[in-house]
Amino acid sequence: GQQVMQIPQYQHVQEGEDFTTYCNSSTTLSNIQWYKQRPGGHPVFLIQLVKSGEVKKQKRLTFQFGEAKKNSSLHITATQTTDVGTYFCGLRGANSKLTFGKGITLSVRP
Amino acid sequence: SQTIHQWPATLVQPVGSPLSLECTVEGTSNPNLYWYRQAAGRGLQLLFYSVGIGQISSEVPQNLSASRPQDRQFILSSKKLLLSDSGFYLCASITPGRNTEAFFGQGTRLTVV
Repeated sequence: GQQVMQIPQYQHVQEGEDFTTYCNSSTTLSNIQWYKQRPGGHPVFLIQLVKSGEVKKQKRLTFQFGEAKKNSSLHITATQTTDVGTYFCGLRGANSKLTFGKGITLSVRP
Repeated sequence: SQTIHQWPATLVQPVGSPLSLECTVEGTSNPNLYWYRQAAGRGLQLLFYSVGIGQISSEVPQNLSASRPQDRQFILSSKKLLLSDSGFYLCASITPGRNTEAFFGQGTRLTVV
């Protein structure tokens, strides 16, 4: 079945730096979802992308779906300590199965 | 929006003991329900999902099982826990056709000793 991959699993940035992470697939995806899990917490939905080349923004976060619908990116402008957490991309399959990449854990040095 | 109730929040169980984790959902009907396990510092591994009462799809062969006795109740069980069953167990719910996002419970942190 379809799978999504997130590499690397950890990234450390200085507060104020920009951060970009990617979610990749070898097959064309029907949709991609992004979630954020704060340390000690549970995943919280951020966004869903379904259209080729789609770009959505939430304040300092920009999400993009690739033209070929095989990858997606999450970009954070001027990171803050509140951005700390693990970001997962997820795929909602036609059979209602919801699977996730391994996630990337972001740490921000103040 | 939906509210997902999971309990207990933490659990310490000896190897070989049984397990029962319950998840209940408020604020929706006919949801798709999911159980995930998250090992320390790792991703979300899908264990089971259900699209209706009594309908269970298993993703990973293991000594865990799931049941859905009611529309908004999802139970994760084991007859005999292994050390490798330790982890953070999360229940999630999606309402088909209404919204696209998954709502997660607060999770149960299970330590098998």
